Amino acid sequence: GENVEQHPSTLSVQEGDSAVIKCTYSDSASNYFPWYKQELGKGPQLIIDIRSNVGEKKDQRIAVTLNKTAKHFSLHITETQPEDSAVYFCAADTGYFGNEKLTFGTGTRLTIIP
Amino acid sequence: GAVVSQHPSWVICKSGTSVKIECRSLDFQATTMFWYRQFPKQSLMLMATSNEGSKATYEQGVEKDKFLINHASLTLSTLTVTSAHPEDSSFYICSAPQGAILQETQYFGPGTRLLVL
Repeated sequence: GENVEQHPSTLSVQEGDSAVIKCTYSDSASNYFPWYKQELGKGPQLIIDIRSNVGEKKDQRIAVTLNKTAKHFSLHITETQPEDSAVYFCAADTGYFGNEKLTFGTGTRLTIIP
Repeated sequence: GAVVSQHPSWVICKSGTSVKIECRSLDFQATTMFWYRQFPKQSLMLMATSNEGSKATYEQGVEKDKFLINHASLTLSTLTVTSAHPEDSSFYICSAPQGAILQETQYFGPGTRLLVL
């Protein structure tokens, strides 16, 4: 089955600087890679996703890059703000068409230092 | 994005009792919903896939007789933790894909924190 590894487990960044979180996956059949933000005591919130036919996707301060050959993808947050502090999870899809599941990484606790 | 709700948001129960958690898709229909469990400072672990009108599919190692899932309508799935024990204390989160065909884009509920005394 799919195995998703995520690094780093914790990350502290000065406000205004950029943060990068990296994930690798094992199943070459995976085609969909979402990123979720989870605040304390809440459910995960989808912040950006990318499909395998695209190498990069950007949404304001958030971007995701995908290297399908190397089987890794990364989340980039620029101009970080205190409200970006949260736990971020990457995920990769598994299963077959119409019966997809998500396998999650272990999470990265991001702390923005004011 | 799509909205998924859960009820209750938290529950405390005595060991041996059963607890029911509801998951609703508020502005879309979901033939499939997913149930996850998350222990403190850990990742989300898929427990089972809830299918409207048919039996749920459980992940390896998840006891189907302990975690009863019912997907009675296109907007409601329920998870019942039967004969709960302290080790069942966890954060239970459901999700639903908005797409009818491609189901990988999942929207999560706010979660239900269960504490078994």
